Amino acid sequence: GAGVSQSPSNKVTEKGKDVELRCDPISGHTALYWYRQSLGQGLEFLIYFQGNSAPDKSGLPSDRFSAERTGGSVSTLTIQRTQQEDSAVYLCASSLVQYPGQGEKLFFGSGTQLSVL
Amino acid sequence: EDKVVQSPLSLVVHEGDTVTLNCSYEVTNFRSLLWYKQEKKAPTFLFMLTSSGIEKKSGRLSSILDKKELFSILNITATQTGDSAVYPCAGSNSGYALNFGKGTSLLVTP
Repeated sequence: GAGVSQSPSNKVTEKGKDVELRCDPISGHTALYWYRQSLGQGLEFLIYFQGNSAPDKSGLPSDRFSAERTGGSVSTLTIQRTQQEDSAVYLCASSLVQYPGQGEKLFFGSGTQLSVL
Repeated sequence: EDKVVQSPLSLVVHEGDTVTLNCSYEVTNFRSLLWYKQEKKAPTFLFMLTSSGIEKKSGRLSSILDKKELFSILNITATQTGDSAVYPCAGSNSGYALNFGKGTSLLVTP
């Protein structure tokens, strides 16, 4: 597709369940980011993938959060044993450039709204 | 700790008004200040500012950076209802992550 695709667009789950969120970046984009936006808050960096390099996981809030990127393309963000404070919009972004901090080159998906009951 | 603070957090204006949105930042190893427009969920890029005093302009939108005072403003002239959105700014440093503010929620009424 032409843009960053995320699925599902909405996910409602019960506290304690595991969830998987998917991101399909723009074809050819080597850099992929996950951000989280809680209600009334700014976007919060979670994790960064660049090509085949080890990901930058410095933003992951706890060990219940993990992400992988298979074949340098599709990425999955997994949240284990979900808690109510995990409720947020999870946004994925991809970029063609390989240099850090090049925010003007980021293309965001429409996000997944996660609600933990 | 890096931080980006925006003001006001929300704003309601009438069509045709001019608005000024503010973004102050404290970012270690600062590289650039970015403005986005966020309608529904996906932010879209507006401006990237790296040098003080040089205005970036796109149609009715313009932005400028003051690296001495550590702030930026986004101006929107002759506002239209289609300008209604959240406008986050973000600080960029030498790392991979952008440090976002909470955004200013702008509502333009007919």
